[in-house]
Amino acid sequence: QSVLTQSPSASGTPGQRITISCSGSFSNIGGNTVNWYQQFPGTAPQLLIYRNSQRPSGVPDRFSGSKSGTSASLAISGLQSEDEADYYCSTWDDSLKGPVFGGGTKLTVL
Amino acid sequence: EVQLEESGGGLVQPGGSLRLSCAASGFTFSTSYMHWVRQAPGKGPVWVSRINNDGSMTTYADSVKGRFTISRDNAKRTLYLQMNSLRVEDTSVYYCARFGSGAAFDVWGLGTMVIVSS
Repeated sequence: QSVLTQSPSASGTPGQRITISCSGSFSNIGGNTVNWYQQFPGTAPQLLIYRNSQRPSGVPDRFSGSKSGTSASLAISGLQSEDEADYYCSTWDDSLKGPVFGGGTKLTVL
Repeated sequence: EVQLEESGGGLVQPGGSLRLSCAASGFTFSTSYMHWVRQAPGKGPVWVSRINNDGSMTTYADSVKGRFTISRDNAKRTLYLQMNSLRVEDTSVYYCARFGSGAAFDVWGLGTMVIVSS
């Protein structure tokens, strides 16, 4: 049971815009910034979005993040087949005194 | 190239011990906070432990407190995780990760698999 809640799956067609949500509480998302990671099968997670909405160098601007209250969202516009992956949200939890992750959303590009 | 490479994983019986290592290159290891994160097959990542840049402060997830010990050797640019009293539920891929200035895990290793089974 993950501390942050994500829908297990999402899907879209090429070119479409999709959003992936992440729900938490006041002790985590409510008081801290949110990061998003992308993971392909058999590989390590890679940082996709940090500090709610910042993109690391090399991440396309098709990926964007936002946060409101105790929830956060990752949006992917102009969906491409290579975006098919698992996506995880993460933040700090003040009660647990450590980073926490969501259970992940598996994105399928139809 | 910024890189982390874990080693030391394997198959161990319940109650056994393993020591994981993580070799860093391409960045200033001695100024970086480092973490261990694990991921069971088909599950999301779970934070395990962290250590500050000089090794004077360590923190652990409740699930491993008292059994795991994180440490580092800045001269060797290496992070360690000593795992004792291993349980079946510790079976996971273990990643070392750098906690960067963006308050996120910005560098990850490839991971090393730990299987605890009789």
